[in-house]
Parts: sequence; C-alpha cells; structure tokens
Amino acid sequence: QVQLQESGPRLVKPSQTLSLTCTVSGGSISSGDYYWSWIRQPPGKGLEWIGYIYYSGSTYYNPSLKSRVTILIDTSKNQFSLNLSSVTAADTAVYYCARDRSTAVDYWGQGTLVTVSS
Amino acid sequence: DIQMTQSPSSLSASVGDRVTITCQASQDITNYLNWYQQKPGKAPQLLIYDAYNLEMGVPSRFSGSGSGTDFTFTISSLQPEDIATYYCQQYDNLPYTFGQGTKLEIK
Repeated sequence: QVQLQESGPRLVKPSQTLSLTCTVSGGSISSGDYYWSWIRQPPGKGLEWIGYIYYSGSTYYNPSLKSRVTILIDTSKNQFSLNLSSVTAADTAVYYCARDRSTAVDYWGQGTLVTVSS
Repeated sequence: DIQMTQSPSSLSASVGDRVTITCQASQDITNYLNWYQQKPGKAPQLLIYDAYNLEMGVPSRFSGSGSGTDFTFTISSLQPEDIATYYCQQYDNLPYTFGQGTKLEIK
C-alpha cells in the first residue's frame, strides 16, 4: 500500500519561502508510471493543482504559480519537495502531496496546513 | 485554463435517496473527467475515473456518466457515510482543474 507523508514548517512568514517534503513509502518514486504532484486547498475552499514532477526530473507548474514554484525529486530518499517563494497570506492552505497515474490522483498524503503569518 | 462548474454547490438529501451532481466543462474534455470525495479534515479520495469507471474498492452505489462538456455523478442510494464534499476534475488539459465542490448533507 502506497503512503505519502508531508513534512515541513507549519508557519511561514510573509515574503519567505514555503518548503515541504513528501516522503513516499510502499512504492518506488522512480517508477515511470506516475507523476508526483502537489495540490493545495485554502481553508474552506476548493482544490488547486500546483504542479508535478516525473522521476526523470521533468516538471510542470501551474502558470498561476509558475514564477514562484520549484518542485524537486530525490529518488535516493524516495522523496519529492515543494518550494514556494515570496509567500503571502493568500498562500495559507492545506498542502497535499499526491501520486498521479496520469489519468487521476489515486493516492494522497494526509495534508499539512501551512499558515503564512508574521 | 478549463473551467469546471459544478451544481448544485450544496445539497441536502435523505438516507436512501438518489443523489445527482452535475459538472460542466468550459470546453470539450472528451471523457477525461474524475470524481473525488472529500470528508471533513481528510484528503480527497478518487471514486470515478475516465467519467464512468469505478475505482477499485469503491461501492457500486457510486456512478458517473457523460462526455464532452457535460457530466453527471450519481449516488443510487445515499448512505450516512456519504456525507462529504464532492469534486469533479478534468485532466484533458494542463493545468488540471477542479470544480468548486458540492457539499452533501443528510436531511
């Protein structure tokens, strides 16, 4: 059974960089069958796709966030990570890491609430 | 971006009722449409993929239909554990986008 777990600071100051890591267990992140994604959900609101990374390192970022987002992969640790720079209060959200089998997201992390506040 | 519009935004129904949610895409997405269930405080869970395929382990009371721009999600007999918010999602074009959600409550 594949499991994903987000980790990282829960509180980030405005203008700083939000950094999260997703650790994957029960399966290899190096499998060419999947894309590894980040999705966020502001409190009480809907879901927004941030972007994904393939095991080869190729990425896709949502154009709405592209200038501020970097997603990296570390196959040796079976982890991938999210960096979101120059954050504001609007970036306060539950951040999910997820496995995308290219047709649907079939496994999600439990999510982590990151609050942007001074 | 492809806009996904769900209706209704909220819905109250009784146990045993047939419940239907619709999702409209702003352009033709063929059948590249998924449905997710999100219970409070939990991550979404995939229920239906490719518009009408039931994900493994999902009860058969859930179903989906449609193609092109208009899609329907149905619960044939509402159960208490179905209380959740339901989202459609298109994966025809990047960035993948979600509907705004339909919050389902028990009457």
